Amino acid sequence: AQSVAQPEDQVNVAEGNPLTVKCTYSVSGNPYLFWYVQYPNRGLQFLLKYITGDNLVKGSYGFEAEFNKSQTSFHLKKPSALVSDSALYFCAVRDRTNAGKSTFGDGTTLTVKP
Amino acid sequence: EAQVTQNPRYLITVTGKKLTVTCSQNMNHEYMSWYRQDPGLGLRQIYYSMNVEVTDKGDVPEGYKVSRKEKRNFPLILESPSPNQTSLYFCASSPTTIALDTQYFGPGTRLTVL
Repeated sequence: AQSVAQPEDQVNVAEGNPLTVKCTYSVSGNPYLFWYVQYPNRGLQFLLKYITGDNLVKGSYGFEAEFNKSQTSFHLKKPSALVSDSALYFCAVRDRTNAGKSTFGDGTTLTVKP
Repeated sequence: EAQVTQNPRYLITVTGKKLTVTCSQNMNHEYMSWYRQDPGLGLRQIYYSMNVEVTDKGDVPEGYKVSRKEKRNFPLILESPSPNQTSLYFCASSPTTIALDTQYFGPGTRLTVL
């Protein structure tokens, strides 16, 4: 069975400061890892994904994520937060050997204060 | 415009009254999936489809049915809704059935079962 944990329900940062939203995963094989963002009253939007290769993945809106195989983590980062980054963030995993199943974390609410 | 559409967007119904939430995508995507989003529980996969006439259970399939008679449509059927199915439902699709594909989400359907 595969699983995703987002240990923080809420992350608060000041505008201009760096942000990190944490994600750890468990999967039997080699994972594909994703970050999605949900703005109020909207569906989820894709931010970035890790497939293979470079452990640092760059995505939309200046976000990046670092894949760490030994720690089974895929933390989302941004060097300088914007108020408009405030949203609900989901980490997700898919297993190459069971492509239909998709497992999401519980979500982390990011609030960026001016 | 390439999109995933869901109807209705909002629905209030009563226990036991059969309902269908429609999902349609105009991108010729192979893979489609249904999720429910509940506070503190993140997104949980209900059913997914790898192709026409090919469907499989996700993590929380009880009380739901799906069908995939055409590539573009993937309706979610609640034969006898119960209050514990009150939730926010999302349909998603991706171009192929390989696990590295990004999912594209619909706007969501907020269902209340009284």
